[in-house]
Amino acid sequence: AQTVTQSQPEMSVQEAETVTLSCTYDTSESDYYLFWYKQPPSRQMILVIRQEAYKQQNATENRFSVNFQKAAKSFSLKISDSQLGDAAMYFCAYRSVYSGSARQLTFGSGTQLTVLP
Amino acid sequence: DSGVTQTPKHLITATGQRVTLRCSPRSGDLSVYWYQQSLDQGLQFLIQYYNGEERAKGNILERFSAQQFPDLHSELNLSSLELGDSALYFCASSVDYKTEQYFGPGTRLTVT
Repeated sequence: AQTVTQSQPEMSVQEAETVTLSCTYDTSESDYYLFWYKQPPSRQMILVIRQEAYKQQNATENRFSVNFQKAAKSFSLKISDSQLGDAAMYFCAYRSVYSGSARQLTFGSGTQLTVLP
Repeated sequence: DSGVTQTPKHLITATGQRVTLRCSPRSGDLSVYWYQQSLDQGLQFLIQYYNGEERAKGNILERFSAQQFPDLHSELNLSSLELGDSALYFCASSVDYKTEQYFGPGTRLTVT
């Protein structure tokens, strides 16, 4: 079974600065998807970014980018030019692609990000 | 707005009771997933349906059951409720296994 670990329960960043959230995972599969979801105080789960394991290029979505290190099984999220609205709980998630495997998301425990004005 | 709807938003009930949570997936999405978010267990997958058929089960208790109807909406039934069942229950939908899952706003269940 796959596991996802987020070792930073809480982090803080100054507005307009850059912050990196860490995520590691364990799997024996060679192809899979990785995601970062954001959960603001409203509790809505919002997809931030997605990475396909077979793609070498790191995914980028505006101010959000990832550093995907497949051999190290590491998947960190970098938020540039942090804004007050980025304050939220961030979850790293894994999903298998193989038929016969469960296709559900396996989540890490989350990192609570505080943005300081 | 993800396009996934869940009702009700909040539910307060007593131990031993039974409740039904409802989810309508995004238009065109055939797959529905149910997740439970609690303080002690984090976000856990419960069950998945694809086009009306059960496809995968996670850590779902025997007291819980679900189904997906021909119009693709899904219901999660929780029975013999216990205090520990208090949690936020999310529904998510996707077109198929290759695409992203989009989450509904969740139903907050409080068992007293």
